[in-house]
Amino acid sequence: QKEVEQNSGPLSVPEGAIASLNCTYSDRGSQSFFWYRQYSGKSPELIMFIYSNGDKEDGRFTAQLNKASQYVSLLIRDSQPSDSATYLCAVNTDKLIFGTGTRLQVFP
Amino acid sequence: KAGVTQTPRYLIKTRGQQVTLSCSPISGHRSVSWYQQTPGQGLQFLFEYFSETQRNKGNFPGRFSGRQFSNSRSEMNVSTLELGDSALYLCASSLIGTATDTQYFGPGTRLTVL
Repeated sequence: QKEVEQNSGPLSVPEGAIASLNCTYSDRGSQSFFWYRQYSGKSPELIMFIYSNGDKEDGRFTAQLNKASQYVSLLIRDSQPSDSATYLCAVNTDKLIFGTGTRLQVFP
Repeated sequence: KAGVTQTPRYLIKTRGQQVTLSCSPISGHRSVSWYQQTPGQGLQFLFEYFSETQRNKGNFPGRFSGRQFSNSRSEMNVSTLELGDSALYLCASSLIGTATDTQYFGPGTRLTVL
């Protein structure tokens, strides 16, 4: 079993819709959880981090964490074509472990 | 504040050669981590340095090594290059590298091994 799992996609949503990206992890000792966005040919850039169970909102982005289910998600409201990218979930125990990413396509 | 910088941005080498990549962290950041990104394997952790000491290491062969200098700048070295080493090598810096510390990535070095 991979340590951090994500659906590779692509996830296609229309402009203005909510995009829901999901991630599961295997290490119950994981302490912190990050979402990075990576455009093609670029390096990952941080979108959000979350440490505690529940929801955390930042603008159009909401991260959700459920440690009992070992599940973390990212919601993008009012999706824009500029949101089209690969979204990487990363989980930190003693090092940062990345999922393989979900490719999001937002079409006009 | 300037971001993480990496040099060179692109490299072409042949099998058997060695290569050294450089990373300058964000000012004030003392932890530097290195990652390899390939289409097949995604982002994989190589190693992390803090205060000139390797604090953590991923599952890569000994051909991959690194070091950190007193100014927190870091280098990684790959010896006896193989075709499979072709990848984007990313460096990330954080304040002190704890589990809740956020890592910020540099632009990466694209290595092509022929």
